[in-house]
Amino acid sequence: QKEVEQDPGPLSVPEGAIVSLNCTYSNSAFQYFMWYRQYSRKGPELLMYTYSSGNKEDGRFTAQVDKSSKYISLFIRDSQPSDSATYLCAMSVISSNYKLTFGKGTLLTVNP
Amino acid sequence: EADIYQTPRYLVIGTGKKITLECSQTMGHDKMYWYQQDPGMELHLIHYSYGVNSTEKGDLSSESTVSRIRTEHFPLTLESARPSHTSQYLCASGRQGADTGELFFGEGSRLTVL
Repeated sequence: QKEVEQDPGPLSVPEGAIVSLNCTYSNSAFQYFMWYRQYSRKGPELLMYTYSSGNKEDGRFTAQVDKSSKYISLFIRDSQPSDSATYLCAMSVISSNYKLTFGKGTLLTVNP
Repeated sequence: EADIYQTPRYLVIGTGKKITLECSQTMGHDKMYWYQQDPGMELHLIHYSYGVNSTEKGDLSSESTVSRIRTEHFPLTLESARPSHTSQYLCASGRQGADTGELFFGEGSRLTVL
């Protein structure tokens, strides 16, 4: 079983839709949970991070972590064509000095 | 904006050639990483460094080697390239002691070995 599972999609939605992206994981030692966004032919960039369980909101983006279910989510409200990218979840344990374990990434296309 | 640079962006070479992928960052970060990314697959850590003269192998076995002689520079070398080395290689850096674990990535070096 892979440590991090992420549905690769692709996911195609109309502009303005609410998007839900998810990852599950098996390693209960993971404490830091991140979402990176990767545009085509670019490197990933950090979008949001959460420490342990809970929710975090930043503008149109909300990250949720449910450690009891080993499940994390990223919600995008009022999606825009500029949100079209691959979204990668990433996780690490506290002591790993930020050696991240990534999901496969979900390719999202927002159609105008 | 992240200041981490990778060269070359694209490289097509023949089997058996020696190649070096360059990575430089101007942020003074102690931690640097090399990830390998194939289409539809996870990023896999192949090398990392926590400072000058410190290098470690990552979770994915790789025939490449790295060096860290200067803080800002973390090159990756393949002594004899093979078609199985065809992939995208991403360099990243991070700040020691950062709470978020944020990594700053370069734009990648896409290697094709014929």
